[in-house]
Amino acid sequence: NAGVTQTPKFQVLKTGQSMTLQCAQDMNHEYMSWYRQDPGMGLRLIHYSVGAGITDQGEVPNGYNVSRSTTEDFPLRLLSAAPSQTSVYFCASRRPSTQYNEQFFGPGTRLTVL
Amino acid sequence: DQQVKQNSPSLSVQEGRISILNCDYTNSMFDYFLWYKKYPAEGPTFLISISSIKDKNEDGRFTVFLNKSAKHLSLHIVPSQPGDSAVYFCAGDLNQGGKLIFGQGTELSVKP
Repeated sequence: NAGVTQTPKFQVLKTGQSMTLQCAQDMNHEYMSWYRQDPGMGLRLIHYSVGAGITDQGEVPNGYNVSRSTTEDFPLRLLSAAPSQTSVYFCASRRPSTQYNEQFFGPGTRLTVL
Repeated sequence: DQQVKQNSPSLSVQEGRISILNCDYTNSMFDYFLWYKKYPAEGPTFLISISSIKDKNEDGRFTVFLNKSAKHLSLHIVPSQPGDSAVYFCAGDLNQGGKLIFGQGTELSVKP
């Protein structure tokens, strides 16, 4: 199993540009989430999904869109990038019922918005 | 409103000694608490968790203690090893589709 994969690893955007961060998992996990990590702030939840076709907002959803058409993929879209969206983005997945409630994280995408 | 707080940004410990990382929370609805370890340029990796109905969980060198009355949990690492040097995040799980609320993290440095 590849686990949770994210592409690209690095990205530089100009203000106003749009892009999609890709996330895929091969563990057949129903739950998937997007987090951003900023210095001194920990990880903050952007959007999450409990299954294909179902998404909901997290703590910091503004400026981001998501959709979930398959169990495996959960892309994150930035429609008009802003410097405040400079961050490291992590995707995570888990099963609904596990012994430890653990989520599995991808390696992250480092995004810089100029 | 910060629902999960890690008030110590950093901690330095000698190899072989105990490391104690602390975490406070405000939301009584958390169903589980989890600890994650993160190395630079990598994603967080799961370390250990505890159900809100328990007060202790142990896994090898790692033990998590939960004090519900104080809304406080701690991670004990005994003995500490240089490879434990990383940033540690605690997180509360609301059991709502995988919504984790993270603390700010504590950077642990274990010196040989």
